[in-house]
Amino acid sequence: DAGVIQSPRHEVTEMGQEVTLRCKPISGHDYLFWYRQTMMRGLELLIYFNNNVPIDDSGMPEDRFSAKMPNASFSTLKIQPSEPRDSAVYFCASSPPINYGYTFGSGTRLTVV
Amino acid sequence: EDQVTQSPEALRLQEGESSSLNCSYTVSGLRGLFWYRQDPGKGPEFLFTLYSAGEEKEKERLKATLTKKESFLHITAPKPEDSATYLCAVQAFSNQGGKLIFGQGTELSVKP
Repeated sequence: DAGVIQSPRHEVTEMGQEVTLRCKPISGHDYLFWYRQTMMRGLELLIYFNNNVPIDDSGMPEDRFSAKMPNASFSTLKIQPSEPRDSAVYFCASSPPINYGYTFGSGTRLTVV
Repeated sequence: EDQVTQSPEALRLQEGESSSLNCSYTVSGLRGLFWYRQDPGKGPEFLFTLYSAGEEKEKERLKATLTKKESFLHITAPKPEDSATYLCAVQAFSNQGGKLIFGQGTELSVKP
């Protein structure tokens, strides 16, 4: 099993541009999570899905952020327009139906200049 | 509000010098407490889940324990390869199945 796969690993973009982060969860995992990690705020949950349906998006900071999960093997997190304060490492994680521990991807380091 | 506080923020040990990391939590009905290890440039890696006070889990040089208010991660005779940031997280029964609230982590450095 290749684990949770995220792309790209690094993204540098200019303020105002659209950014799309991608995630492929582990096959058979029903839950998918998007987290953001910064030095100041640590790991924060942005949104999570169960069986492709968004369950809790209360952590999405603004309307500039949106996430989709069109099928069980793919999810995207989009920021439009991006701002310098969005710079962070974004992690995707998945877990099986009985949540005994997430598996995290390697993350996407986003820098907005 | 569910909350997790880890201490110390950073810990420096000599190889073989045992110590403990602390995770204090407040949660409206604990479903589970999780420990993760995170290496620089990588995602957190799952270590343990504890579900009830008095429970203990062990893996190599690590042992996690749980009380009603806190959890400890004991490191016995650490080696340089144990250097990492250790994260604690809680999950409440009120969550619909998955949300974890993370602490800020303890950065452990083990010198040879």
